Amino acid sequence: EVQLVESGGGLVKPGGSLRLSCATSGFPFTDAWISWVRQAPGKGLEWVGRIKNKGSGETRDYLAPVKGRFTISRDDSENTAYLQMNSLNTEDTAVYYCTWQSMHDFHHWGQGTLVSVSS
Amino acid sequence: QSALTQPASVSGSPGQSITISCTGTSSDVGSNNFVSWYQQHPGKAPKFMIYEVSKRPSGVSNRFSGSKSGNTASLTISGLQAEDEADYYCCSCVDTPYVFGTGTKVTVL
Repeated sequence: EVQLVESGGGLVKPGGSLRLSCATSGFPFTDAWISWVRQAPGKGLEWVGRIKNKGSGETRDYLAPVKGRFTISRDDSENTAYLQMNSLNTEDTAVYYCTWQSMHDFHHWGQGTLVSVSS
Repeated sequence: QSALTQPASVSGSPGQSITISCTGTSSDVGSNNFVSWYQQHPGKAPKFMIYEVSKRPSGVSNRFSGSKSGNTASLTISGLQAEDEADYYCCSCVDTPYVFGTGTKVTVL
């Protein structure tokens, strides 16, 4: 069974940092592309960033508003992906989902972890 | 890149068919067949429902079907059931930045 389990969310002050983890099982993680997608309260889905597999150079791409503040990484030995978020602001408040994607769709999703940025 | 446009809400009675539109431009929806659809129940993670405009992943009911004409993709739910009440999102997932639709709330009357 494919599983993606996010953790690390919580309440953080503006300007603070947080590191989310996405622990996976049930699929060949080393070959997988992983994206992070977020959903602000009462709002729609917003793609945040993606990391390709090692064979594709572990290329990272980001949504413009988070570029330079967010960093996606992966540990293939632990089947885990990470989202390091720095310089957080109130607009980053959302549920963050990690997803196992193909080139053109998001076929498996984690349950999400809530990040709240507030003073 | 702007979000794809979906109607805010669509409703139907049990057993009826409804269609949700997803309108983009000739640069996204109109230029390829990489449109996917996701269902999201309240408080739950999205679920993958349709890929490459009209293909269904294993396990998804054949009551769900997808199509595309020009710059508009569509998701049709046939034989509407109470469990279909949820939010639905399309995605033009050609390349980054991936762009989702604005979302449609489906209500079963």
